[in-house]
Amino acid sequence: QKEVEQDPGPLSVPEGAIVSLNCTYSNSAFQYFMWYRQYSRKGPELLMYTYSSGNKEDGRFTAQVDKSSKYISLFIRDSQPSDSATYLCAMSLFSGGYNKLIFGAGTRLAVHP
Amino acid sequence: NAGVTQTPKFRVLKTGQSMTLLCAQDMNHEYMYWYRQDPGMGLRLIHYSVGEGTTAKGEVPDGYNVSRLKKQNFLLGLESAAPSQTSVYFCASSPRGGATDTQYFGPGTRLTVL
Repeated sequence: QKEVEQDPGPLSVPEGAIVSLNCTYSNSAFQYFMWYRQYSRKGPELLMYTYSSGNKEDGRFTAQVDKSSKYISLFIRDSQPSDSATYLCAMSLFSGGYNKLIFGAGTRLAVHP
Repeated sequence: NAGVTQTPKFRVLKTGQSMTLLCAQDMNHEYMYWYRQDPGMGLRLIHYSVGEGTTAKGEVPDGYNVSRLKKQNFLLGLESAAPSQTSVYFCASSPRGGATDTQYFGPGTRLTVL
């Protein structure tokens, strides 16, 4: 079983929809939870990170962490065609002297006009 | 300020050939990383470096070697390429290795091994 599970999609929504992206994890030692966005043929870029259970908002994006259920979510409000990308969740664990990141496989999102 | 750059962008190799992928960063970051990305697998760490002259193994190091002779450069070598090494390779760098030190990724190198 993978440490981080993420539905690969694809997820197709109309412009303006609320998008919900999710990941589950098995290692309760994970400390930080991140969401990366990856456009086609580009490298991932960090969108948001959270530390504790609860919500964190940044513009149209809200990251939610439920440590008791080992479940994290990313909500995108008023989705735009420019949000079309693959979204990767990542969890961090301090190991071997550095912050080790474990990535989900990514969910491909398409927002159509 | 170019961030993280990778050379080459694409490469096709035959089984048994060797090659070196170059990563360069201009942000004076201490830590650098090499990942591979395969469909359905997510990003997996191959090797990393916590500073000039140091390297360490990541999750999937077999078949790869790395060197960090200069702080700004991190090289990934394939001595004898195999079809299983067909993948997209990403380099990343971060200021240090702390939990809040963002990893900045390069644009990737698409490698096909025939």
